[in-house]
Amino acid sequence: EPEVTQTPSHQVTQMGQEVILRCVPISNHLYFYWYRQILGQKVEFLVSFYNNEISEKSEIFDDQFSVERPDGSNFTLKIRSTKLEDSAMYFCASSEDRYNEQFFGPGTRLTVL
Amino acid sequence: GQQLNQSPQSMFIQEGEDVSMNCTSSSIFNTWLWYKQDPGEGPVLLIALYKAGELTSNGRLTAQFGITRKDSFLNISASIPSDVGIYFCAVEGTSGTYKYIFGTGTRLKVLA
Repeated sequence: EPEVTQTPSHQVTQMGQEVILRCVPISNHLYFYWYRQILGQKVEFLVSFYNNEISEKSEIFDDQFSVERPDGSNFTLKIRSTKLEDSAMYFCASSEDRYNEQFFGPGTRLTVL
Repeated sequence: GQQLNQSPQSMFIQEGEDVSMNCTSSSIFNTWLWYKQDPGEGPVLLIALYKAGELTSNGRLTAQFGITRKDSFLNISASIPSDVGIYFCAVEGTSGTYKYIFGTGTRLKVLA
């Protein structure tokens, strides 16, 4: 069964460093998303992406964040200058179209020291 | 902002028991979903509901989309140890939005 994959599974970085989290969405899906889950809390929406542009973003997704689809298979989330409070699980998700269910990847645990 | 409240927050049950949990909102939503999250993993879709009053089953799981479109419940029958995890409800945000809004979660622990 096709699934969303994410790399790395765990990323440790120093405050102020840039990180790039990578995702490979399900191959025939057209809509891509990033969500964040701070330890012990609920999953929160960050951004949605369609047709090579951001379709919606939350207030969490400030200028430090960016997303890109650099090729036909990868979808990345970049945090330009990480802060301690960016420590969380980051989940990528994809859906076939806007009204279909979103399928989530296993997540990347980001730890900012 | 839009918020989904789940109850109970956590529960311990004996293996073989049936489980019921629910999710409520002060706003109307047209799509309700239930996900399960194992420790250190991503949410896995269990059931999606698209029509008010709809009752849908997936194996031992049954979920209903409330008539008022402000709530949903999830039942698990004859629980087994691998049912342990956190169950999240989610809704598709209001018209024009792409995002899912997740509930606060119900942590389920099954005692063998």
